[in-house]
Amino acid sequence: DAGVIQSPRHEVTEMGQEVTLRCKPISGHDYLFWYRQTMMRGLELLIYFNNNVPIDDSGMPEDRFSAKMPNASFSTLKIQPSEPRDSAVYFCASREDSSNQPQHFGDGTRLSIL
Amino acid sequence: GESVGLHLPTLSVQEGDNSIINCAYSNSASDYFIWYKQESGKGPQFIIDIRSNMDKRQGQRVTVLLNKTVKHLSLQIAATQPGDSAVYFCAEEAGNQFYFGTGTSLTVIP
Repeated sequence: DAGVIQSPRHEVTEMGQEVTLRCKPISGHDYLFWYRQTMMRGLELLIYFNNNVPIDDSGMPEDRFSAKMPNASFSTLKIQPSEPRDSAVYFCASREDSSNQPQHFGDGTRLSIL
Repeated sequence: GESVGLHLPTLSVQEGDNSIINCAYSNSASDYFIWYKQESGKGPQFIIDIRSNMDKRQGQRVTVLLNKTVKHLSLQIAATQPGDSAVYFCAEEAGNQFYFGTGTSLTVIP
């Protein structure tokens, strides 16, 4: 079975540029999560969706960050404008829509803002 | 042991020995707990989970213990192998609230 697919795997760009990260969840999963991982702060939940609707975006650091889920098989996390402190690994995860189910993670996008 | 905080504990074990990784959680309303393994360059991978109505669950070479009285979770790995070297995270869920620990780095010495 295909797992959660993220693209790109690596992104290097200059500060001020727009960055778009993409995620395809596991088919049939109704929850989708975006996380950021850094050495300093560990794994931070940014936002999650249920049935394509954003449920909790309290972890989104600033207005420069936005996430969308136009359909059940695709989500984007956008940073505009990007800053060096946004450098991190960004993970997407999905989960079935029932209680007590684990999240399944993609392999992440390693983002470097110069 | 690990807590939902900012430091990354490390654990080194000899190949073939048993490993115990600990986690202290803070939300007494959490009713579902999960252990993940993260290898370098990859996302966290589900290992084993446990619901709050249980205190022990066993998988293949892994056992999770839950002590709700002291809000403590542990992961035991039997006969640790070099492929077990990774960062291990505990996670807890309380309704639609999700929390991850900062992880424990396990190194297996051949």
